[in-house]
Amino acid sequence: EVQLLESGGGLVQPGGSLRLSCAASGFTFTNYGMSWVRQAPGKGLEWISAINSGRLYYADSVKGRFTISRDNSKDTLYLQMDSLRAEDTAVYYCAKEVMGYGYFDYWGQGTLATVSS
Amino acid sequence: DIVMTQSPDSLAVSLGERATINCKSSQSLLFSSNNRNSLVWYQQKPGQPPRLLISWASTRESGVPDRFSGSGSGTDFSLTISSLQAEDVAVYYCQQYYTSPTTFGQGTKVEIK
Repeated sequence: EVQLLESGGGLVQPGGSLRLSCAASGFTFTNYGMSWVRQAPGKGLEWISAINSGRLYYADSVKGRFTISRDNSKDTLYLQMDSLRAEDTAVYYCAKEVMGYGYFDYWGQGTLATVSS
Repeated sequence: DIVMTQSPDSLAVSLGERATINCKSSQSLLFSSNNRNSLVWYQQKPGQPPRLLISWASTRESGVPDRFSGSGSGTDFSLTISSLQAEDVAVYYCQQYYTSPTTFGQGTKVEIK
């Protein structure tokens, strides 16, 4: 059974940093691209970053502030979030990509990051 | 970026009746290599992550009830729930994966009338 478990969310002040983790199990992690998708409170879904075959992709809204990475030996995906802004407040989901295509067949339960003073 | 626009933003349908959600993309999503449309539909219930319902515009995922169907091609797509059940109350999103960055529609909230 595929499982994705996010952690690392919390309350941080504007300008601060958070590091999110996503522990994966139930599939061969190294074989799949992974993404982070966020959802601001009461709003829709926004793709923000992906990592696939060593290539990194970012939405313009987070480029230069967020860094995606993965440790295949630990089956874990990461998102380093720096220079956080109030508008980054959201539930952050990690999602497993369908091989070769940019849509998602499994999602974690999400972790809430709140940026506020 | 491709803009995905869903309509309506919300709809209320009686139990057992049909619900139809539309999704329009700002450019064609038809892959010439396989003649398929690179669009998916998700269902998101309160407090839960999205669930993949349909891929390639019309291919129902394993375990998805057959009352859910997807149709359309090019730039205009629809998700239909043929006979609305109480457990179908949710927000539904379309997503294009034709090109990067992948983009989502704004969501359509389905409620019981």
